[in-house]
Amino acid sequence: EDQVTQSPEALRLQEGESSSLNCSYTVSGLRGLFWYRQDPGKGPEFLFTLYSAGEEKEKERLKATLTKKESFLHITAPKPEDSATYLCAVHFLGAGSGGGADGLTFGKGTHLIIQP
Amino acid sequence: KAGVTQTPRYLIKTRGQQVTLSCSPISGHRSVSWYQQTPGQGLQFLFEYFSETQRNKGNFPGRFSGRQFSNSRSEMNVSTLELGDSALYLCASSRQFPYEQYFGPGTRLTVT
Repeated sequence: EDQVTQSPEALRLQEGESSSLNCSYTVSGLRGLFWYRQDPGKGPEFLFTLYSAGEEKEKERLKATLTKKESFLHITAPKPEDSATYLCAVHFLGAGSGGGADGLTFGKGTHLIIQP
Repeated sequence: KAGVTQTPRYLIKTRGQQVTLSCSPISGHRSVSWYQQTPGQGLQFLFEYFSETQRNKGNFPGRFSGRQFSNSRSEMNVSTLELGDSALYLCASSRQFPYEQYFGPGTRLTVT
């Protein structure tokens, strides 16, 4: 069964303390991996798309990387406004679990808190 | 430009009833997808519509259905509501599913 696992479930950091969030996946036919940020009471906000192993994307204090089995979201010198739940999602080839051309599976997210 | 809008924002229904949720995508986006978010299962993909056709579907029972209109606006319907259907229902729009999706604020459905 295709799966996406995010770790840790929750992470509390001091302002300026860099760290990484992990998204591991077991899917066949990866077409893309996405990172989203979700603030309380809001819908997810798109951050990055990664397509192949070795690819990296950066945006402000965030950097996403991809290997054949996992993706990392590195947060450098975070600020309190980076506090949010970070979600990854995997787009894969073939029939989705319920049918249709493609599948899309989300991890359960990492709840990140940055303390001032 | 205006973002994705969803109506209503909150809804309370009784078990056995049916409900219809509405989503207006960003102008120019022809793909609209729907998701269910719960604390236990996280964010789960329901289905995606493009040019009024359902192209992709997640693993949900037939009680969950949707449609898309010629102006790309979409509706989702849940029939015979169960307590477990209580969730935040999110829709997202994009030019091409599932790339760079823009999510709406969601509809919070409570089934009693």
